[in-house]
Amino acid sequence: DQQVKQNSPSLSVQEGRISILNCDYTNSMFDYFLWYKKYPAEGPTFLISISSIKDKNEDGRFTVFLNKSAKHLSLHIVPSQPGDSAVYFCAASPRFISSGSARQLTFGSGTQLTVLP
Amino acid sequence: GAGVSQSPSNKVTEKGKDVELRCDPISGHTALYWYRQSLGQGLEFLIYFQGNSAPDKSGLPSDRFSAERTGGSVSTLTIQRTQQEDSAVYLCASSLVAAPYNEQFFGPGTRLTVL
Repeated sequence: DQQVKQNSPSLSVQEGRISILNCDYTNSMFDYFLWYKKYPAEGPTFLISISSIKDKNEDGRFTVFLNKSAKHLSLHIVPSQPGDSAVYFCAASPRFISSGSARQLTFGSGTQLTVLP
Repeated sequence: GAGVSQSPSNKVTEKGKDVELRCDPISGHTALYWYRQSLGQGLEFLIYFQGNSAPDKSGLPSDRFSAERTGGSVSTLTIQRTQQEDSAVYLCASSLVAAPYNEQFFGPGTRLTVL
């Protein structure tokens, strides 16, 4: 059972428009959420994160929104640029219980974003 | 500074053979993770090392999988008697574990193909 779901495997957007990538989760213990971006033949790179105590975090063209009641988060990219074309992974982490606990990330299956020039 | 490096970048092996995958984390990062990404899937957690603590092996799919981390730095993931379903990209990540959250830095991965 997938605890983090990205239901759209792909998304195409025109350059300059807004890209909205969605992610849903089921585990109530998740309290930290991250977005990673992955280019072909490279490892994922961290993009932006949000704690459950917030409902919005903004960094330049990237904004992440968190709706805890709906267990839903989204990544907005505006304006979208061709260089944003990549696979975007949503990831979630549970509450930090103790120093010995793993902070493993649970990832969604990714959304391939294509920004058309 | 150097990021996380992994070797080999590609590995093709025959079913039943053993393979070893290597990860060099970022210097000073005390936490090290192994994940794998099968075709069309998200990243699946395998194992986690933190300092000198016992590793969290909860994600290892079978006892054919094992990993060690020598000297708190380099890690090796070993898959014994490989099966075709082991074919995937194996990703290593490292992080500092002092912050309240966990930004993990990933290597480029090793693409394993089991024929």
